[in-house]
Amino acid sequence: AQSVTQLDSQVPVFEEAPVELRCNYSSSVSVYLFWYVQYPNQGLQLLLKYLSGSTLVESINGFEAEFNKSQTSFHLRKPSVHISDTAEYFCAVIKGSQGNLIFGKGTKLSVKP
Amino acid sequence: DAGVIQSPRHEVTEMGQEVTLRCKPISGHNSLFWYRQTMMRGLELLIYFNNNVPIDDSGMPEDRFSAKMPNASFSTLKIQPSEPRDSAVYFCASSLDSLDTQYFGPGTRLTVL
Repeated sequence: AQSVTQLDSQVPVFEEAPVELRCNYSSSVSVYLFWYVQYPNQGLQLLLKYLSGSTLVESINGFEAEFNKSQTSFHLRKPSVHISDTAEYFCAVIKGSQGNLIFGKGTKLSVKP
Repeated sequence: DAGVIQSPRHEVTEMGQEVTLRCKPISGHNSLFWYRQTMMRGLELLIYFNNNVPIDDSGMPEDRFSAKMPNASFSTLKIQPSEPRDSAVYFCASSLDSLDTQYFGPGTRLTVL
């Protein structure tokens, strides 16, 4: 069965520090990979996605993720975080031709001054 | 575009009552998804529609839950009768097609007493 594993439920970091949020998936077929962000009391927003092509994808606010097929990973990184990045981040996968997103449990990023 | 619209934003009801959650997807989007978010189980897909037709309802917990999409601009999720364990945030999302980016509504926070 398709699954997504986010290894860290909480990640506390100081402002301007680098951060990596880990995501691994299990699948024997092609996948489409997503990172969504959820700010407090809001719905989810797409941060970035990998469908095909370049394995490194970037968002407009400085996050990037790299699709690594051999390690079945799609880790999210940012070289320098801001207080405003405090949120919960969800890794998700669409398997093959199906449309339903399968979400990881989420990682709460807490950026401290 | 106003984005995905959900109503009500908050609902408090008593066990045994019927609850109806509403969703208006983004105009032109052909796929609509209902999710439930709880602390224990994270984000779960309940059901999704493509061109108003239910494609996968395997995530619907039990017969107490039902969802309809009578037209391209409106969907409902009904719980009858409601139980305390149904307390959660329910999200609606829509996308151009089933493999495209999903846009989430702000959610309905349901509390069943």
